[in-house]
Amino acid sequence: DNVLTQSPDSLAVSLGERATINCKSSQSVLYSANNKNYLAWYQQKPGQPPKLLFYWASTRESGVPDRFSGSGSGTDFTLTISSLQADDVGVYYCHQYDSFPYTFGQGTKLEIK
Amino acid sequence: QVQLVQSGAEVKKPGASVKVSCKTSGYIFTSYPITWVRQAPGQGPEWMGWIRPYTGNTNYAQKFQGRVTMTTDTSTDTAYMELRSLTSDDTAVYFCARSGSGSCLGCRVEADYWGQGTRVTVSS
Repeated sequence: DNVLTQSPDSLAVSLGERATINCKSSQSVLYSANNKNYLAWYQQKPGQPPKLLFYWASTRESGVPDRFSGSGSGTDFTLTISSLQADDVGVYYCHQYDSFPYTFGQGTKLEIK
Repeated sequence: QVQLVQSGAEVKKPGASVKVSCKTSGYIFTSYPITWVRQAPGQGPEWMGWIRPYTGNTNYAQKFQGRVTMTTDTSTDTAYMELRSLTSDDTAVYFCARSGSGSCLGCRVEADYWGQGTRVTVSS
């Protein structure tokens, strides 16, 4: 199975500051035939289902604020929030859909400092 | 608008089975696979498998092979997930989600719209 390891496990950032979450994949999720990384980022708040933020590693889902950005390729990926807002609190997961079984990272809990 | 509405919470005894439903609306049901994901208390999501409603083809995570069955009813645009031989380790919230077809090189694959989740508690 493709294991996704996120870092850090938890993160406390001041409002207006930058937050960075990393995701490392044990196998490349880059599909050479179309040069796309089969990796997504989700945000989850208590009692809610995950909310899709990015697909293809860096394509922002409709409605997601542009303070969120996704980057990386192959096995190393980053989710960045450029200026943290109160509503950004939650748990963030990376997710690979390149090979079965699809897998999720263990999650990064983001809080306000 | 796209909606996935799941059945209510369940409490089951060890060894029993549970069947969760996922009623969809707002899109062409047969055009998108339905993915099932579960999340144990305090844990990250776990992918269980998916089903293509048009063909009935399934792909289950090896961990659940032989114990899970995913089905669809195209007359009601509803998906079902049955899990058998339950143990306390199966206590979790179970989600259904619409996934991209992935049927072409540029086609989306990831789950975009999710149901609200169904809490399944296994306890003697």
